[in-house]
Amino acid sequence: EVQLQESGPGLVKPSQSLSLTCSVTGYSITSSYRWNWIRKFPGNKLEWMGYINSAGSTNYNPSLKSRISITRDTSKNQFFLQVNSVTTEDTATYYCARCIIRAPFDYWGQGVMVTV
Amino acid sequence: DIQMTQSPSFLSASVGDRVTLSCKASQNINKYLAWYQQKLGEAPKLLIYNANSLQTGIPSRFSGSGSGTDFTLTISSLQPEDVATYFCLQHNSWPNTFGAGTKLELK
Repeated sequence: EVQLQESGPGLVKPSQSLSLTCSVTGYSITSSYRWNWIRKFPGNKLEWMGYINSAGSTNYNPSLKSRISITRDTSKNQFFLQVNSVTTEDTATYYCARCIIRAPFDYWGQGVMVTV
Repeated sequence: DIQMTQSPSFLSASVGDRVTLSCKASQNINKYLAWYQQKLGEAPKLLIYNANSLQTGIPSRFSGSGSGTDFTLTISSLQPEDVATYFCLQHNSWPNTFGAGTKLELK
């Protein structure tokens, strides 16, 4: 079964960078699918942040494009999120999830809460 | 970006009730609408995709309908385990966008 698990620091200082890892088991991130980061703000608003696909290409939400980077380590079957110059408005629960073209996010991690 | 508007924000219903939740898109998204259930502390669970396709393993009391801009999630007979927040997602175009959610409680 496909499983995704987020990890990373729960507390980040303003102006610093937020870095999270998504570890995937049960499926290779190079085989297919797009591997996404999504966040849920206090108050429950959800925002798609971006993805890295099986070929290593990325697509970012224009609202965040200048501040985020999604990369991967195929040897560890992990992908990563970095958000630069964080503010208190980046406080959220961060999820990783997978999807395929024109399909919704089908598998999600449990989420990791990050406070700025 | 496509705006997704869900209603109501809160809903209180009794076990056995037929429950209907609404999601409206600010522009045509064809059939590309998904519904999720999220319980406190858990990952979102995909219920419905492509407006009316039931995800594998989801009980048949959940159903979806609609196309274009207006969509509905129906629970035919509410069960205690259905208490959760439900949100919609348009997966027609990037950036994919979510509704603000409907919190469903037992009366």
